[in-house]
Amino acid sequence: GAGVSQSPRYKVAKRGQDVALRCDPISGHVSLFWYQQALGQGPEFLTYFQNEAQLDKSGLPSDRFFAERPEGSVSTLKIQRTQKEDSAVYLCASSQGIANTEAFFGQGTRLTVV
Amino acid sequence: TQLLEQSPQFLSIQEGENLTVYCNSSSVFSSLQWYRQEPGEGPVLLVTVVTGGEVKKLKRLTFQFGDARKDSSLHITAAQTGDTGLYLCAVRNSGGSNYKLTFGKGTLLTVNP
Repeated sequence: GAGVSQSPRYKVAKRGQDVALRCDPISGHVSLFWYQQALGQGPEFLTYFQNEAQLDKSGLPSDRFFAERPEGSVSTLKIQRTQKEDSAVYLCASSQGIANTEAFFGQGTRLTVV
Repeated sequence: TQLLEQSPQFLSIQEGENLTVYCNSSSVFSSLQWYRQEPGEGPVLLVTVVTGGEVKKLKRLTFQFGDARKDSSLHITAAQTGDTGLYLCAVRNSGGSNYKLTFGKGTLLTVNP
């Protein structure tokens, strides 16, 4: 596709459920990022992939958060045992190069934990 | 403490008015980016400023990077309803993690018809 595609657009989960959020980056983009955007805040960095390698997961809030990109293309962000504080928009971005290249963001997945 | 302080947090104006929003920090940056995020969408890069004192224009939008490279402003002339959105400033981490963007909280602009 022309841009970064995320699915689902909206997800409502009961507290304690596991969720999986998908990101299809722009074809050929080496770098992939996940950001979390809470209501009224700017996006906050979660994790970074260069091809299939997860080089930085310093922003993941807890060990309930797990991300993967097994073939260096599609990525999945998984949240286990969701909590109310996990409610946020999860944004995926991709860029052509490794650093200092423009990042293109998807529309995000709005997760609401009830 | 936020690395980037954006002000005002909210701004509601009438179509045709001018406005300025600010992004301030006590740190010095090699570059700074401005993004616009429309409701239900991801942020879209508007501009990157690199040189202290630099002014860049994008149609009715004027971006300025402070002389000391600690702050930046975005001025919109004759605002239109299509300018409505969240305006975010962001900087890249220094050193080996310069792939990582740090954002401010943003200024939520509403332009009323």
